[in-house]
Amino acid sequence: GAGVSQTPSNKVTEKGKYVELRCDPISGHTALYWYRQSLGQGPEFLIYFQGTGAADDSGLPNDRFFAVRPEGSVSTLKIQRTERGDSAVYLCASSLKGPYNEQFFGPGTRLTVL
Amino acid sequence: AQSVTQLGSHVSVSEGALVLLRCNYSSSVPPYLFWYVQYPNQGLQLLLKYTSAATLVKGINGFEAEFKKSETSFHLTKPSAHMSDAAEYFCAVSEDTGANNLFFGTGTRLTVIP
Repeated sequence: GAGVSQTPSNKVTEKGKYVELRCDPISGHTALYWYRQSLGQGPEFLIYFQGTGAADDSGLPNDRFFAVRPEGSVSTLKIQRTERGDSAVYLCASSLKGPYNEQFFGPGTRLTVL
Repeated sequence: AQSVTQLGSHVSVSEGALVLLRCNYSSSVPPYLFWYVQYPNQGLQLLLKYTSAATLVKGINGFEAEFKKSETSFHLTKPSAHMSDAAEYFCAVSEDTGANNLFFGTGTRLTVIP
């Protein structure tokens, strides 16, 4: 079956612009996660959805970052007033509910802020 | 709070030699532990996971890891390295706190020398 997909695969934007990153999880997975991976680092947790609601958004770095999942499937990560420090690979993962269930990762969106 | 330390950002082994990638964790409750592999230009893929059943966990591609509570370790091993094992390896920890998000180490890049 289809895995987690993310679009776009690459996004180049200018400082101060607004961007949206999309994640399409595996069908039937109620849990959805966003992570950010900077160069030479491991993925860093941003936000977790269980169904339509954000169950934990403690990893969002500041209020410029926001994510939605209105119908409990596709999710969009939104970044306002982008800064050069936002440049990273943004990863999405989905899983069945539960801490021991495998999180399936998408290929990521590489965001570059000039 | 949970965290993961991976000793050695780069490890090189000869083809056919033993692979040992180290991971130590910190967790206030019994953890769930994972090893993920990231091949160039690909998404993270689960190698194996520990979920409080057997302490010796076998994964895909001949890898295994042993959970040692006394040492707070979860080292990844493979008896004989193959050229196709060259990749970045991430250890991660999760707790049953509701969010279930993963905390990743900084990764170990494995190079296999022919």
